[in-house]
Amino acid sequence: AQKVTQAQTEISVVEKEDVTLDCVYETRDTTYYLFWYKQPPSGELVFLIRRNSFDEQNEISGRYSWNFQKSTSSFNFTITASQVVDSAVYFCALSEANTGNQFYFGTGTSLTVIP
Amino acid sequence: EPEVTQTPSHQVTQMGQEVILRCVPISNHLYFYWYRQILGQKVEFLVSFYNNEISEKSEIFDDQFSVERPDGSNFTLKIRSTKLEDSAMYFCASKATGAGGYTFGSGTRLTVV
Repeated sequence: AQKVTQAQTEISVVEKEDVTLDCVYETRDTTYYLFWYKQPPSGELVFLIRRNSFDEQNEISGRYSWNFQKSTSSFNFTITASQVVDSAVYFCALSEANTGNQFYFGTGTSLTVIP
Repeated sequence: EPEVTQTPSHQVTQMGQEVILRCVPISNHLYFYWYRQILGQKVEFLVSFYNNEISEKSEIFDDQFSVERPDGSNFTLKIRSTKLEDSAMYFCASKATGAGGYTFGSGTRLTVV
């Protein structure tokens, strides 16, 4: 079974639109961490956010915001007023304390922002 | 900000040849990892390394793969006899403590021809 599901394979939005990238995770561990990474066309993985399982507060960083809901096992990512530079593949990932903290990545969502 | 450095950024090798991918983790980090991403696919765990030994490895990490920390600063991934399906982006990562997030390197794109 997939530990991290990103159901949206590709999304296209017009510049300045808001967009939400979905992430659903599965774990039996009570201590875990959730992450979002951005992978631009150049290929590197850019860290965006880390959340631990005990902190359900939503977080906002500039145009980025994250909604963590344990009740639905979701950790969604919203970009407000999208820009062309936001075009990339975005990966959600889970790290569990009892499996050596290896990362389980979702399959990624490819976001294209059209000017 | 401290970085994980990977060299080379791109390597082309002939099938059957041995390759060594190099990583310099952040200096005070204790946990080291290799991940692989086949083009267009998700990032997959290969191996974790702590206290000079492998702590976990995936099914992908078979006898053709090995890791080493030869001198206390470098962390290498060796593929003994490369196959076409080894073509992928390989990411090194490190972290300071058991909990929390990694710092990933910028990756080495390996092309096996």
